[in-house]
Parts: sequence; C-alpha cells; structure tokens
Amino acid sequence: ILNVEQSPQSLHVQEGDSTNFTCSFPSSNFYALHWYRWETAKSPEALFVMTLNGDEKKKGRISATLNTKEGYSYLYIKGSQPEDSATYLCAFNAGNNRKLIWGLGTSLAVNP
Amino acid sequence: DVKVTQSSRYLVKRTGEKVFLECVQDMDHENMFWYRQDPGLGLRLIYFSYDVKMKEKGDIPEGYSVSREKKERFSLILESASTNQTSMYLCASGPGALNEKLFFGSGTQLSVL
Repeated sequence: ILNVEQSPQSLHVQEGDSTNFTCSFPSSNFYALHWYRWETAKSPEALFVMTLNGDEKKKGRISATLNTKEGYSYLYIKGSQPEDSATYLCAFNAGNNRKLIWGLGTSLAVNP
Repeated sequence: DVKVTQSSRYLVKRTGEKVFLECVQDMDHENMFWYRQDPGLGLRLIYFSYDVKMKEKGDIPEGYSVSREKKERFSLILESASTNQTSMYLCASGPGALNEKLFFGSGTQLSVL
C-alpha cells in the first residue's frame, strides 16, 4: 500500500519566523512529487512539481527539496507572513498509474 | 490563466435524490479528476478520466458514477444521494503526464439531508 505522510500535522509560528515541514513517500517507482497550497475558501494551488532526485525549487520565499532515494521532500518558508497561513499538501505519483497519492497536509497558521 | 469551474459552490440535497456535479476546464487537458475532502481523511480520489468517454475508478467509487462526453467537461453523478456523501467535492484537471501540476476548481460543499 502506497502511503504519503506529512509532518507536522499543524504548526503555529510568528510572523517573520522561518519554518519547514516534511513529506515522506515511497522511495520505489518514483515519478513525481507535487506540493500544493490550500487556503481556506479557495482552490488548492500548485507550488511545485519535482521529478529529479536532488531537485530544489523556489518560488519567492517558499522553496522545496527532493530526495527520492530516501523518500522525502522538505518545504521551507522563509520569513513567514500571515498570508502564508494555509494547508500545504504533498502528493506522490509512482508513474505506473495516473493517480496521485495525497498526504493529509500540514496546516500552517502565521500569527501577526 | 487556466480555469476549472465547478457549477455550484454550495448544494443541499435530500437523501435519495440524484445529484449532478459539473466541472469544466478550459485548457484542453486530457486528465480530469473528482476528489472528496473530509476532515482527517485528506483528498480521496473518486473517479478520473484520461480521455473523452474514458473513465477509471479511484479509491472510493462506490455510490458514484461519472460522465465525460466532451473533453472539457467531467460530471460526477450521485445516483441516490446518502448522508455519508455529505462532503467537499473538488474537481481537478491536468495534462497527460502527472509530472505537471493539476489545476483545481473551487469546490462544491454538498450537504445531503
């Protein structure tokens, strides 16, 4: 059974803090790892899709790394802002099917 | 900008009613997906389609069917709604391979009374 785990489940930080969270996934048959941000009352929005071991991607203050051999990805937020408050979801694709396996997400709250 | 449009944001139906949830995308994507989101359970795949008239069961297809008569439209059908189908339903679309991002609709919060 393929499983994607995210930790921590929730996180409260102060504005200006930097933070990071983890997505763990099966290390075999890796094809792609997705990160999405889901703000309340909005649609999930893609942050990154990562495909190569060692990949690092950056979008403004948010960056992500990928280790396919050990099966984890980190998402970093530098200098958190209240508008970063959201649930961050990761999803894994094994490549031999058309499904994404989703984690339960990390809920981030940034206090002003 | 890519748009994925779901027909209703909130919907209230009675047990036993037939319910149609519509999803339209404007980017000529091959893949379309229907998920439901319940607290503590994450996004669960109900059905997906990778081409017109093609469909595959996801992880929780029971009680649902789908229709994809045109590439841009993917409909989710609850043949006889039940209270345990009260949930947030999300539609998504994406290009052929899953090494590219998905685009989501804004969701339909369905309540079955």
